[in-house]
Amino acid sequence: KQEVTQIPAALSVPEGENLVLNCSFTDSAIYNLQWFRQDPGKGLTSLLLIQSSQREQTSGRLNASLDKSSGRSTLYIAASQPGDSATYLCASAGNTPLVFGKGTRLSVIA
Amino acid sequence: DVKVTQSSRYLVKRTGEKVFLECVQDMDHENMFWYRQDPGLGLRLIYFSYDVKMKEKGDIPEGYSVSREKKERFSLILESASTNQTSMYLCATLRYSGANVLTFGAGSRLTVL
Repeated sequence: KQEVTQIPAALSVPEGENLVLNCSFTDSAIYNLQWFRQDPGKGLTSLLLIQSSQREQTSGRLNASLDKSSGRSTLYIAASQPGDSATYLCASAGNTPLVFGKGTRLSVIA
Repeated sequence: DVKVTQSSRYLVKRTGEKVFLECVQDMDHENMFWYRQDPGLGLRLIYFSYDVKMKEKGDIPEGYSVSREKKERFSLILESASTNQTSMYLCATLRYSGANVLTFGAGSRLTVL
């Protein structure tokens, strides 16, 4: 059964820093990996989706990478801003519905 | 953009009541999902549906049922609400074409007293 782990559970950084969020998964037979953002009390918003044949995807200040062989994905946020403060979740899609990590709660301090 | 609408943002119910949570999508997505989210436990899949009148159990279906009579609507039913069902409930849809992006509704916060 697929397991998705996100470390650390919480992260606090000063504004302007570049940062990396980590996601690891146990079964490399995935179709894609998706990164989401969740603001407190709200639903999830899709940020980036990486197909299994791809190595990375970029959207603005966000860059997500995928290494299936090592079972890892990273979300890189450049020049962080207080508005980036939220919980970030990754999810893997395979033969079963998406499996989510528990998320990393990011705080960007002005 | 796909819009996924959950009918109630906040509900307060009493133990033993029957609760309906409604989810409606405005695109022709085949797949719909119900998750619950709890602190420290993350998102857990309750039920999902690949098509009208079809349903599959997720990881934690006990105490829940679902209904999908029309493609755009997927309902989660708590036959007899209990306090341990106090949670945030999230509906999502997925289309098996192109990018296969999972799209979520805003969530329904249910409190069972």
